[in-house]
Amino acid sequence: GQSLEQPSEVTAVEGAIVQINCTYQTSGFYGLSWYQQHDGGAPTFLSYNALDGLEETGRFSSFLSRSDSYGYLLLQELQMKDSASYFCAVGYTDKLIFGTGTRLQVFP
Amino acid sequence: GAGVSQSPSNKVTEKGKDVELRCDPISGHTALYWYRQSLGQGLEFLIYFQGNSAPDKSGLPSDRFSAERTGGSVSTLTIQRTQQEDSAVYLCASSSGTAYNEQFFGPGTRLTVL
Repeated sequence: GQSLEQPSEVTAVEGAIVQINCTYQTSGFYGLSWYQQHDGGAPTFLSYNALDGLEETGRFSSFLSRSDSYGYLLLQELQMKDSASYFCAVGYTDKLIFGTGTRLQVFP
Repeated sequence: GAGVSQSPSNKVTEKGKDVELRCDPISGHTALYWYRQSLGQGLEFLIYFQGNSAPDKSGLPSDRFSAERTGGSVSTLTIQRTQQEDSAVYLCASSSGTAYNEQFFGPGTRLTVL
């Protein structure tokens, strides 16, 4: 089966850089996606890596290494509004399997 | 245009009753997904519809759960004989046919089974 693991919680201060890791034990997937979910809100799409390497979207970057079964989401210049849960997800034949989620708390 | 909508936003029911949850996807999106999220947990895939193809029901936890999608648009998730462990937020998402990696989620229905 598919298994994606993420740290349960990460804390950081405003202006800092934080990296949220996602390790997986699966193969044959099409790509790695990242979603953000604020408390009480719906998940929203952040980024997608179809190929190995780094994808940058503003303050957020995402990385994938299939050979290492590993990916990460990098958040720069942290803001209080970045406090949320972050989920990685692998794509299989038109559906996503989500990781366990990482709760990010940003402090002043 | 409008995003994904779900109704009701909250549903409280008694154990053993049936419930129906509704999802209106983004117009033109051919793919529709249902997920379940327990408090503080990740998203558990339940079922997936793509166009007129047979749905992928591989995530449904038991035969008490079923879903339909009428006319390739609105979907209804039905839970029969609800149990307390069914209490969760049920999220619906839609995507265009070729962009399953970017799914647009509705606000969810919070189901509480007493």
